[in-house]
Amino acid sequence: DTAVSQTPKYLVTQMGNDKSIKCEQNLGHDTMYWYKQDSKKFLKIMFSYNNKELIINETVPNRFSPKSPDKAHLNLHINSLELGDSAVYFCASSPGQVYRGYTFGSGTRLTVV
Amino acid sequence: EDQVTQSPEALRLQEGESSSLNCSYTVSGLRGLFWYRQDPGKGPEFLFTLYSAGEEKEKERLKATLTKKESFLHITAPKPEDSATYLCAVQGQDSNYQLIWGAGTKLIIKP
Repeated sequence: DTAVSQTPKYLVTQMGNDKSIKCEQNLGHDTMYWYKQDSKKFLKIMFSYNNKELIINETVPNRFSPKSPDKAHLNLHINSLELGDSAVYFCASSPGQVYRGYTFGSGTRLTVV
Repeated sequence: EDQVTQSPEALRLQEGESSSLNCSYTVSGLRGLFWYRQDPGKGPEFLFTLYSAGEEKEKERLKATLTKKESFLHITAPKPEDSATYLCAVQGQDSNYQLIWGAGTKLIIKP
């Protein structure tokens, strides 16, 4: 009964490959997010969806494409992976856009070799 | 530009030794300041939200306070299980509801 679940937890892949990370929340939240946490531990917003609609799209390479088939799911597809994409990616959800507390998934550690 | 700076980067304490973590921020109109705890290999876990200067929130051994320029997370008589990275984030009125995060303070409590 995990609230926000991400798969896979670890992902090791070669440069140039395409990969996807899946996220699902069972909290009934309207808003979902993708965050990137780099080696210095900074969390940076990548995307935000509210009821399947993209509301935040930060300066992220076009190789990153989020998809939200319904408000409980937000997947992240990455094309042509680069070494600099190595990081921990977190999915999160909240009841709405106005901050009411995020619930984070446990993260996906992506390593590009 | 909205910014959050946390200090120290790391803090080592003996069990029972009280201390404080600092979060300094600059934001164009604070909508809220948030504290999270992050354990290794896990996502951040929400602790507190503070909305205005002078506000205080408490949870077990943790107490968060807020001024117009900074927030403190006071930890009283910490235990080894309080060891974690503590993250601070702010939401400004012009931020399109985004959170700006600090790099965190890694707290280690030795038994």
